[in-house]
Amino acid sequence: GEDVEQSLFLSVREGDSSVINCTYTDSSSTYLYWYKQEPGAGLQLLTYIFSNMDMKQDQRLTVLLNKKDKHLSLRIADTQTGDSAIYFCAESGRNSGYSTLTFGKGTMLLVSP
Amino acid sequence: GAVVSQHPSWVICKSGTSVKIECRSLDFQATTMFWYRQFPKQSLMLMATSNEGSKATYEQGVEKDKFLINHASLTLSTLTVTSAHPEDSSFYICSARRTPDDLKFFGPGTRLTVL
Repeated sequence: GEDVEQSLFLSVREGDSSVINCTYTDSSSTYLYWYKQEPGAGLQLLTYIFSNMDMKQDQRLTVLLNKKDKHLSLRIADTQTGDSAIYFCAESGRNSGYSTLTFGKGTMLLVSP
Repeated sequence: GAVVSQHPSWVICKSGTSVKIECRSLDFQATTMFWYRQFPKQSLMLMATSNEGSKATYEQGVEKDKFLINHASLTLSTLTVTSAHPEDSSFYICSARRTPDDLKFFGPGTRLTVL
């Protein structure tokens, strides 16, 4: 089946930039997503990118997509303690009928003061 | 933004009882909703895809008679855990697919504890 891989843990200091990386295998992916999950809560859609884009910026968030290498990254500028959470990379592609999402296992971001 | 609600946010029940969880898209119509289960410190596991007006599609290994899904309207899907047992204790999260942009928005989750 299709697969999405993420590193499991990232620790940064407040004010630094955080970069969370993700790789995927479905070459037919149309949308790639980043979701944020805080403890005991659901998933919040942070940002997404179409597969025909290379980059998307939204305030402190920058998403980079390298379609050739099937690599997606999320950069958070000026990381704050409130950014501490689990970040899930997800994609939807032809193999899932473009309807369901395939998730990575999540990257726990810990921001220390 | 798009808002998805779930009710209840947490529930504790006795073994053998049934529990119904509601998922609503509050400001958009969702022809498709998804039900996930999440174990502690793990990713989301898709249980089933719910299409308005038709039967749900269950993932392999998910018992359809155990987890009843109804998607009676464009804004509401329900998951009923029948004859719940302690191993059904989990965090259940729903997601709604917004058209036409196809983005998926998630509810806040329901924590089910079966004693």
